[in-house]
Amino acid sequence: DAGITQSPRHKVTETGTPVTLRCHQTENHRYMYWYRQDPGHGLRLIHYSYGVKDTDKGEVSDGYSVSRSKTEDFLLTLESATSSQTSVYFCAISDSTGQETQYFGPGTRLLVL
Amino acid sequence: DAKTTQPPSMDCAEGRAANLPCNHSTISGNEYVYWYRQIHSQGPQYIIHGLKNNETNEMASLIITEDRKSSTLILPHATLRDTAVYYCIVGKATSYGKLTFGQGTILTVHP
Repeated sequence: DAGITQSPRHKVTETGTPVTLRCHQTENHRYMYWYRQDPGHGLRLIHYSYGVKDTDKGEVSDGYSVSRSKTEDFLLTLESATSSQTSVYFCAISDSTGQETQYFGPGTRLLVL
Repeated sequence: DAKTTQPPSMDCAEGRAANLPCNHSTISGNEYVYWYRQIHSQGPQYIIHGLKNNETNEMASLIITEDRKSSTLILPHATLRDTAVYYCIVGKATSYGKLTFGQGTILTVHP
């Protein structure tokens, strides 16, 4: 399995609090992605990164920000969590622009009360 | 990117071939067909992809019709561990790897 870890794996927080999820890779892959998965919506891309300090928005980026200061870490921040951001969050990495080469992390379950 | 249509669910007996269809009638000439699967509570896993020719690897075969408007993923000898949601995705090869997932097909393999 590709060396991808996500932390925390589970988190419960309250509405209005900031939350940061971390994705860490040991593969030295250039591209990193954050997805969220909700019943009835499948997986949706939030943000992605194509290099250190290079990020762009995905399909559902409102309410989220990201940062990538090192190749191995991609952080997803919910500035002020809302109940609609309750979801399972997956990080993915790839070493090329090909859509076939994505490797996914184990996911983080976030509950916003 | 082109949209895909898959049946919401399918069943298969263990040891038999599982044939999962996907319609992508609006696919353009430079778009590939990708298949991923997601076993319960895990992250998605890449299976196979193709442009116009049929493809085979150790996991599955991909059959793409000549007009490229549909395709079929074949798991030749399904096992209980193949029970998962299977996603058919169409996209360009150089879209920074961004994947657009639909609802997928829930494949249940029965003993």
